[in-house]
Amino acid sequence: AQSVTQLGSHVSVSEGALVLLRCNYSSSVPPYLFWYVQYPNQGLQLLLKYTSAATLVKGINGFEAEFKKSETSFHLTKPSAHMSDAAEYFCAVSDAIGNEKLTFGTGTRLTIIP
Amino acid sequence: DGGITQSPKYLFRKEGQNVTLSCEQNLNHDAMYWYRQDPGQGLRLIYYSQIVNDFQKGDIAEGYSVSREKKESFPLTVTSAQKNPTAFYLCASSRDREETQYFGPGTRLLVL
Repeated sequence: AQSVTQLGSHVSVSEGALVLLRCNYSSSVPPYLFWYVQYPNQGLQLLLKYTSAATLVKGINGFEAEFKKSETSFHLTKPSAHMSDAAEYFCAVSDAIGNEKLTFGTGTRLTIIP
Repeated sequence: DGGITQSPKYLFRKEGQNVTLSCEQNLNHDAMYWYRQDPGQGLRLIYYSQIVNDFQKGDIAEGYSVSREKKESFPLTVTSAQKNPTAFYLCASSRDREETQYFGPGTRLLVL
């Protein structure tokens, strides 16, 4: 069985500061890992995904995430926060190929302080 | 302008009433999905369809029904058997089940 835990339901950072959103997963096989962003009252948009290639994955809007097998983590980072980054971020895991197999985390709401 | 549309944006349901949420895509995608989103929870899969005239139950299909008569359309009916229907409903599509999902803007269902 697979699961994903997002530590911190709310994170606040100052504009220009480092963004770090945490995601830990549990999977009995090598996982596929995803980060999605959701702006208020909108659908989700894929930021990036890990599918067993390079462990450092670069995504859109300057975000990246690093797959660390030893720590079962896939934390999302951005060097310098922008006001437009304010949104909810979801980590998701799958133990097999196929969108129907995704398990989503509970989300982290990111607030940017001017 | 390709994309996924969901209507209505807000929907109100009375006790014992069935309501249908619309999802249309013009991306020529084979696979379509319905998710439910509750506050403080991740998305949960209700139903999915990999191809026209075929669909499978997701993790929380009870109280819901779908049809896939056309490639572009995947309507979701919330039946009176769904006792807690208040939620944000998201439709998504992908070229096939392995490709990136694209999400619609969602429908918020409220119970009167």
